[in-house]
Amino acid sequence: AQTVTQSQPEMSVQEAETVTLSCTYDTSESDYYLFWYKQPPSRQMILVIRQEAYKQQNATENRFSVNFQKAAKSFSLKISDSQLGDAAMYFCAYRSPLYGTYKYIFGTGTRLKVLA
Amino acid sequence: EPEVTQTPSHQVTQMGQEVILRCVPISNHLYFYWYRQILGQKVEFLVSFYNNEISEKSEIFDDQFSVERPDGSNFTLKIRSTKLEDSAMYFCASSEYPTNEKLFFGSGTQLSVL
Repeated sequence: AQTVTQSQPEMSVQEAETVTLSCTYDTSESDYYLFWYKQPPSRQMILVIRQEAYKQQNATENRFSVNFQKAAKSFSLKISDSQLGDAAMYFCAYRSPLYGTYKYIFGTGTRLKVLA
Repeated sequence: EPEVTQTPSHQVTQMGQEVILRCVPISNHLYFYWYRQILGQKVEFLVSFYNNEISEKSEIFDDQFSVERPDGSNFTLKIRSTKLEDSAMYFCASSEYPTNEKLFFGSGTQLSVL
């Protein structure tokens, strides 16, 4: 069974600085999807970024980028130029591409605090 | 942007009572999900629903749980006889496709079983 591990329960970053959130996963599948979701205090989770495992190029969305290391099964999220609005819980998630599989497997989350 | 809406935002119930959690997915979405998050723990998959039937469920989703799309717009999760360990935040989500398409989540219903 696949697992997702986020080893940092909480992180802090100074406004305008860069922070990296860690995520590791375990799977025997060669192809899969990885996601970072953000859960602001209003509690509605929204997608930040996604990565297909077959793509070697790291995904980027504006200030958000990932460092995808397939051999190491690592999928970290880098937030550049941190803003106060980035403060939230961040969840790493895995999804199998197998037909008939719909579930996402989430980690326990990392709470990010942004200091003014 | 369209949103998934969930009601109520908080629900308190006595152990053994039935509860129904309600969700209105995004109108053109075809796949619906329930997840839950016990305080301090992982967000856990409960069930996915497509074409008026369950497409996948987890081991958590036992006979005490059921889902329904009663009227083409609402998507409900029923817990027949609540237990203390059912206390959690329950999230509804929907997606247009089941593949790598992103999930749209509701704000959640905090269920407290006393």
